[in-house]
Amino acid sequence: GAGVSQSPRYKVAKRGQDVALRCDPISGHVSLFWYQQALGQGPEFLTYFQNEAQLDKSGLPSDRFFAERPEGSVSTLKIQRTQQEDSAVYLCASSADPGRQFFGPGTRLTVL
Amino acid sequence: GESVGLHLPTLSVQEGDNSIINCAYSNSASDYFIWYKQESGKGPQFIIDIRSNMDKRQGQRVTVLLNKTVKHLSLQIAATQPGDSAVYFCAEIAWGKLQFGAGTQVVVTP
Repeated sequence: GAGVSQSPRYKVAKRGQDVALRCDPISGHVSLFWYQQALGQGPEFLTYFQNEAQLDKSGLPSDRFFAERPEGSVSTLKIQRTQQEDSAVYLCASSADPGRQFFGPGTRLTVL
Repeated sequence: GESVGLHLPTLSVQEGDNSIINCAYSNSASDYFIWYKQESGKGPQFIIDIRSNMDKRQGQRVTVLLNKTVKHLSLQIAATQPGDSAVYFCAEIAWGKLQFGAGTQVVVTP
């Protein structure tokens, strides 16, 4: 009965490094979303999966960002060649219906 | 482009008083609105939602009001408690995606 979990909770990367952020959704939730939240701002949509299919990736800011959900459960957001502007909290959410999304605690990424 | 936004960045309220958080939206096609609460270090937590065919919905100590004429949404919290201190976001479902406003920081003082 656990909620959405994310790991790591905190990640510090040197500029240019690749990072991988993991999301474990609520069991049975078909839909999974990734958001980016800058300090003092609301979350911004990045990408959306329905089962293993990535149906919308219009919010990914550049081709350095890549997300996958190969078995329709756990998802990974990968950022290649990190830049300082990538510093943010990355939130994952899952839902069983289109409206009510349940959010994880987020991963705070700091790029030095 | 069209967006969801909030009128007040910070709201200070005395414990026991009622709180009102306001939100303006501009996408007239939106038909579903949600209020989220986000505490420090946590993800947004669902509070209450409302569809555009309603103008009021009540939950436990919270009420959401929707005025489609002026595209305005508000969240009322009754008898505000210290645990209500957080950032509150209104969000709309537009084109199948959640779009959030910038948030209002609610600070509850004793």
